[in-house]
Amino acid sequence: AQSVTQLDSQVPVFEEAPVELRCNYSSSVSVYLFWYVQYPNQGLQLLLKYLSGSTLVESINGFEAEFNKSQTSFHLRKPSVHISDTAEYFCAVRPYGQNFVFGPGTRLSVLP
Amino acid sequence: DAGVIQSPRHEVTEMGQEVTLRCKPISGHNSLFWYRQTMMRGLELLIYFNNNVPIDDSGMPEDRFSAKMPNASFSTLKIQPSEPRDSAVYFCASTLGNGPYEQYFGPGTRLTVT
Repeated sequence: AQSVTQLDSQVPVFEEAPVELRCNYSSSVSVYLFWYVQYPNQGLQLLLKYLSGSTLVESINGFEAEFNKSQTSFHLRKPSVHISDTAEYFCAVRPYGQNFVFGPGTRLSVLP
Repeated sequence: DAGVIQSPRHEVTEMGQEVTLRCKPISGHNSLFWYRQTMMRGLELLIYFNNNVPIDDSGMPEDRFSAKMPNASFSTLKIQPSEPRDSAVYFCASTLGNGPYEQYFGPGTRLTVT
């Protein structure tokens, strides 16, 4: 069965510091990979996705994630976080021809 | 497009009452998902539809929950009778199909059962 692991349930970080949110998955088939962000009292929004091609994908607000097939990982990084990045981040996989599987989420708190 | 639309945004009801949550997916999307989110259990998939047909309802907690999709532009999630433990945020999401397409989430319905 497919699964997604986000080892860190909470990540506190100071403003302007770098951050990495980890995501590992298991799947017997190839997958599409996604990161979603949920701001307080809102629905989930797509942050970035890997479908094929370059293993490094970027979002418009400075986040990036790298697909590592050998390590079955899709870690999310940002070199310098802002207060406004405080949110919950969900990693999701969609195995080819199958349904989405979401991770448990990581709550990022950016401290002044 | 207006995105996925859910109504109501907030619902407060008493235990034992029937609750109906509504969702309008993005036009052209043929897959629809209902999720429940709580602090304790996180994000849980309740049921999903492909082309208006329920494909997997294994996440529906019990017989008190039912979902329908009478046409491509409307779905309901009904709880009857409601219980305090049903209090949660319920999200609807839609996607274009089985391929490399992301899910688009609605704003959610916050349900409080007293």
